[in-house]
Amino acid sequence: QPVLTQSSSASASLGSSVKLTCTLNSGHSRNIIAWHQQQPGKAPRYLMKLEGSGNYNKGSGVPDRFSGSSSGAARYLTISNLQSEDEADYYCETWDDKHWVFGGGTKVTVL
Amino acid sequence: EVQLVESGGALVKPGGSLRLSCAASGFTFSGAWMSWVRQAPGKGLEWVGRMKSKVDGGTTDYATPVKGRFTISRDDSKNTLYLQMNSLKTDDTAIYYCTTSHLNLEDPDSWGQGTLVTVSS
Repeated sequence: QPVLTQSSSASASLGSSVKLTCTLNSGHSRNIIAWHQQQPGKAPRYLMKLEGSGNYNKGSGVPDRFSGSSSGAARYLTISNLQSEDEADYYCETWDDKHWVFGGGTKVTVL
Repeated sequence: EVQLVESGGALVKPGGSLRLSCAASGFTFSGAWMSWVRQAPGKGLEWVGRMKSKVDGGTTDYATPVKGRFTISRDDSKNTLYLQMNSLKTDDTAIYYCTTSHLNLEDPDSWGQGTLVTVSS
């Protein structure tokens, strides 16, 4: 079944950019993934789906500051012009025919 | 606007049972694959299980920790998804979220606000 690996934490200054990485395991490098944001004390929020070509499709209301890209088995979420409300946990998710899996999540701190 | 509203969370003793509900609106529920995801206190997201739409077979799959104890069902006439939880353990303590599970790039997914299940004596 698929496995997703994420760094546990990332930090960047207000107004700068941060790039989060989610890596798929062998045999699943072509999977579509989804990125979700979870602000403190809130339910997760869907951000986008992202495929291996780098094409992505964002959810309604997701700011333009959020973008996706891919390289091989890696899927990236870039947050530009970082705002205080972007301080949150970010999870990637993927699936095969019988399993859905989440990465361990990356905690983003805005300095 | 898509809305998913979970209910049914409660305090229950180990070994007990509980049924969660998820009321859906704003999309064609009968055609949607749906999942339950949980989050234990201070932990990450954990997929619990998924049910396909009836037109795709209506089959279910579960994560290993809950297989044989939890059952997902749906009532498309009521636009409602259910999670029957039996033989509950303290490790099942978590917020339980209902989500859509669309496979295609073009179809965004949605989350409910969650319902808290506490398993404790």
